[in-house]
Amino acid sequence: SQKIEQNSEALNIQEGKTATLTCNYTNYSPAYLQWYRQDPGRGPVFLLLIRENEKEKRKERLKVTFDTTLKQSLFHITASQPADSATYLCALDTGGSQGNLIFGKGTKLSVKP
Amino acid sequence: GAVVSQHPSWVICKSGTSVKIECRSLDFQATTMFWYRQFPKQSLMLMATSNEGSKATYEQGVEKDKFLINHASLTLSTLTVTSAHPEDSSFYICRLGVGETQYFGPGTRLLVL
Repeated sequence: SQKIEQNSEALNIQEGKTATLTCNYTNYSPAYLQWYRQDPGRGPVFLLLIRENEKEKRKERLKVTFDTTLKQSLFHITASQPADSATYLCALDTGGSQGNLIFGKGTKLSVKP
Repeated sequence: GAVVSQHPSWVICKSGTSVKIECRSLDFQATTMFWYRQFPKQSLMLMATSNEGSKATYEQGVEKDKFLINHASLTLSTLTVTSAHPEDSSFYICRLGVGETQYFGPGTRLLVL
C-alpha cells in the first residue's frame, strides 16, 4: 500500500537556524507533492507544491526539494522564527481529477528564541 | 484565494445523538469537497468525497450510513455523524480544491460524551 512517512515527530531548533523536515514515500509515483502548515486546532494551510519534474522550489524563506529517485522531499525554513512553530505536513497526490491526497503524520517544529 | 468556513467550530454532544457539520465555500463554487478526520498526533484520514448533486464516495472502512454527506449546492456540503459514540470524537476538516491548490476549512472539534 502507499505509505508516506515524516521521519521526525518533533524538531526543536534555535531561532535563526535552518529547519529541515523530511518526507519519504513508498509504493507510489506522485505527479506532485505538497507541504502544509497546521497550527493547533486549525485546518492545514497550503504552502508549496512541487511537481515530479521539478527538483527545487522556493517561496520567500521556504525551499522544497523533490527527489523522485530517493522518493523523498525535503522542506527547509531558513532564518527560522518562533512564529514558524507549527506542525508541517507533506501530502502526495494520488491521482484523480480533483487530486486526492494522502498525508503524512506531520513534524511538529518548535523554534526557540 | 478560496475561503472555506466550517460550522460549528466545536461541539459537545451526548452519546447516541446526531451532529451536523457544515462546510461552506465562501468565494468558490466547488463541485467536489473532501471530508477528513484527524485524531491527535495522527495524519488526516480521508473519509469521503462529496459530489454536488450526487452520492458521496466513501473510503474503505467508513460507514456511509453513519456519516451522512449531503452536497446540495456548489457552496455547501454537510457531514452528519449519526448516533455518535465516544470513539467518533475527533477533528473533522473539509477541503476543496482550486486546481492544484487545496483549501481546508478551519475544522470542527467533536467531543462525544
